Amino acid sequence: DAGVTQSPTHLIKTRGQQVTLRCSPKSGHDTVSWYQQALGQGPQFIFQYYEEEERQRGNFPDRFSGHQYPNYSSELNVNALLLGDSALYLCASSLGLAGFYEQYFGPGTRLTVT
Amino acid sequence: KNEVEQSPQNLTAQEGEFITINCSYSVGISALHWLQQHPGGGIVSLFMLSSGKKKHGRLIATINIQEKHSSLHITASHPRDSAVYICAVRSNYQLIWGAGTKLIIKP
Repeated sequence: DAGVTQSPTHLIKTRGQQVTLRCSPKSGHDTVSWYQQALGQGPQFIFQYYEEEERQRGNFPDRFSGHQYPNYSSELNVNALLLGDSALYLCASSLGLAGFYEQYFGPGTRLTVT
Repeated sequence: KNEVEQSPQNLTAQEGEFITINCSYSVGISALHWLQQHPGGGIVSLFMLSSGKKKHGRLIATINIQEKHSSLHITASHPRDSAVYICAVRSNYQLIWGAGTKLIIKP
């Protein structure tokens, strides 16, 4: 049983570009949450997808958008990249909305913006 | 003030010592997580607590809902326990994270 997988593992982009990160949830999970973790800080909640809709959103600008597919996999898109977007992006999956069920985390995608 | 506060921020100890990491929170929660993050980023969930105490191997986690406080203990610490330990609370369908405690266990 594969756990949460994320791709790519590392990514280098230039300021102003756009990036798409991908997440496949643990088998049987239907909810995906995305987090941004800057170096030396705790993860910050970006948003959560359930039933292909964004259900909750943290304090992130509209440059951050997402999508969930019918197979529950998810994408995080970031437009007009800024240097400050450099971070580890973590995906977590759960069965049901994350308030009540344990989340399983992926290994993360490390994004570097130059 | 952050909604989830951890202490200490950094902790260095000798192999074999008893380790305690503390977490205090100011919001209403449905559960509290203790997680471990090794260099390179991957996060492993250690415990999910809503009351009382849980034990897994050398790790013990406790929570006091009335005092809004939780502790993570490591008995007989080992260099492989070196990692960042993060407290995160579930509130309104979100996980609110502490900044983490960087633990280094020296042989």
